[in-house]
Amino acid sequence: GAVVSQHPSWVICKSGTSVKIECRSLDFQATTMFWYRQFPKQSLMLMATSNEGSKATYEQGVEKDKFLINHASLTLSTLTVTSAHPEDSSFYICSASDASGRAGETQYFGPGTRLLVL
Amino acid sequence: GEDVEQSLFLSVREGDSSVINCTYTDSSSTYLYWYKQEPGAGLQLLTYIFSNMDMKQDQRLTVLLNKKDKHLSLRIADTQTGDSAIYFCAEYQGGKLIFGQGTELSVKP
Repeated sequence: GAVVSQHPSWVICKSGTSVKIECRSLDFQATTMFWYRQFPKQSLMLMATSNEGSKATYEQGVEKDKFLINHASLTLSTLTVTSAHPEDSSFYICSASDASGRAGETQYFGPGTRLLVL
Repeated sequence: GEDVEQSLFLSVREGDSSVINCTYTDSSSTYLYWYKQEPGAGLQLLTYIFSNMDMKQDQRLTVLLNKKDKHLSLRIADTQTGDSAIYFCAEYQGGKLIFGQGTELSVKP
């Protein structure tokens, strides 16, 4: 149980285009979803937290107009990188929490999406 | 501050035990986690420990928690080559996870 998928797993795009990444919880309802960014050989940096049906909460320094997050249902959240530039190239990972109370706010992670902006 | 710290590298021989250490900052953290990340993949939850516990064992994994020193460790018994990965500890703080930098475990045959 507690499977999270991401799509696509890999995307290459031209500078200036927008890219949408989907995060789905496959076998549970995710009350909260999180979006992280990871640079090579580094830890995960939390970008934003989203609860279904409400606006995402962005971490300091993350541009909300650049990284649009939509959490329209209890099983789907999307991250759109608008007007992508080469510096946006990174590994983007989502996670989902069912807040079941079994272990606090245990987060289950997706497999990640590697974005390369040319 | 928010820093969770881990040593960056650990190398062991197959069959030996591995011990990965972590220090965290917030004494009020309720849950502490260990995640495993294989190359090019997301994070896999290995185990977690509630702050009122000192130890938790799950098959080959043993987690030790020293709340006084804010020190967390993960011991992997009989380490296998398939255990080679990056291991992240994380503390639950203020509704989010704060991750350490990750420890790259290399298992040599």
